[in-house]
Amino acid sequence: GIQVEQSPPDLILQEGANSTLRCNFSDSVNNLQWFHQNPWGQLINLFYIPSGTKQNGRLSATTVATERYSLLYISSSQTTDSGVYFCAVGGGVNDMRFGAGTRLTVKP
Amino acid sequence: DAGVTQSPTHLIKTRGQHVTLRCSPISGHKSVSWYQQVLGQGPQFIFQYYEKEERGRGNFPDRFSARQFPNYSSELNVNALLLGDSALYLCASGMMSYEQYFGPGTRLTVT
Repeated sequence: GIQVEQSPPDLILQEGANSTLRCNFSDSVNNLQWFHQNPWGQLINLFYIPSGTKQNGRLSATTVATERYSLLYISSSQTTDSGVYFCAVGGGVNDMRFGAGTRLTVKP
Repeated sequence: DAGVTQSPTHLIKTRGQHVTLRCSPISGHKSVSWYQQVLGQGPQFIFQYYEKEERGRGNFPDRFSARQFPNYSSELNVNALLLGDSALYLCASGMMSYEQYFGPGTRLTVT
């Protein structure tokens, strides 16, 4: 099956700093999503981005499908950005494969 | 519009018991998928149902089963519970191969 690797596993930032999270995947995919998991376990949709670039406020994402990676950018980080960020990719049947996540801690 | 709903929120069971978890998809979504997330890991795919048929199954034992009803809601059943089944169980709905939306999850504790 498709392998998904996220880096870094942990990231600690000061409020106001910028960060880049990376997701590498091992095969072509039909679906790629970025999620933020809040402390209660809810997965919040950030981006649906099988290819191209999207922006939503301080967050943006780029997927280069031909090179099998995606990047999530967080600018001017805030303490509320803390949590675990997951990349998930899907093949034909839509059984999404998740990476192990990046745990982000933003300090005031 | 209501999001994906799951019930119950929390559940405590004893080893060997059976559990049923429920999920209602977003209106108009015909696909429901189930995931298990143990502490410190990413969610792992269990099942996908589309139009009431099983379309995918992850690497889980036969103790795990699911079904989808005519209204597209779904149940996940786990028999003969083990301590290792303690996890957050997540349900997602969507249209095939498009954006998936997750419910708040059911936290199962097996003692």
